[in-house]
Amino acid sequence: EDQVTQSPEALRLQEGESSSLNCSYTVSGLRGLFWYRQDPGKGPEFLFTLYSAGEEKEKERLKATLTKKESFLHITAPKPEDSATYLCAVAGVYGGATNKLIFGTGTLLAVQP
Amino acid sequence: TQSPRHKVTETGTPVTLRCHQTENHRYMYWYRQDPGLGLRLIYFSYDVKMKEKGDIPEGYSVSREKKERFSLILESASTNQTSMYLCASSLDWSSYNEQFFGPGTRLTVL
Repeated sequence: EDQVTQSPEALRLQEGESSSLNCSYTVSGLRGLFWYRQDPGKGPEFLFTLYSAGEEKEKERLKATLTKKESFLHITAPKPEDSATYLCAVAGVYGGATNKLIFGTGTLLAVQP
Repeated sequence: TQSPRHKVTETGTPVTLRCHQTENHRYMYWYRQDPGLGLRLIYFSYDVKMKEKGDIPEGYSVSREKKERFSLILESASTNQTSMYLCASSLDWSSYNEQFFGPGTRLTVL
């Protein structure tokens, strides 16, 4: 069964204190791994897609990496506005017209000034 | 966009949640999000009048009469359907599933 596990559940950082969020996955044939940011009371906002092991993508203070079993979201010198829940999701190979994502439960990041 | 953004209703009443996209995306999805459970797929549609069950379709139905609109229908709302409902869309199969989400509808069933 396809599964996504994110750790830690919550993370509190001081402004400027770099860290990483982890996403471990089990999927039958990875078609893509996705990172989203979600602010309270809002829908998830798309950040990155990674397709194959070794791939990396960057956006401002965020950098996502992918191995065959996990992905990391590295946050460099975070600011308070980076506070949010970060969601990881995977897409596997499914039959027919099935086109779905399997989501983890997210990491709640709080960056204190 | 999703409407309404917030709704409070009573057990047994019918509820329709609406989603509208202006991206000309072929696929549309309905998820619910609950603390500790993450996002779970209820239904998705890959074309007008076409639909597929997701992981938790029980108690729900959907309607897609136009490409840009996708509705989630609760025929008789129950308290265990209290949740945040999120609509998403993606261009098509070849876009590798990059799904873009609406702002959500917070539904409370009393």
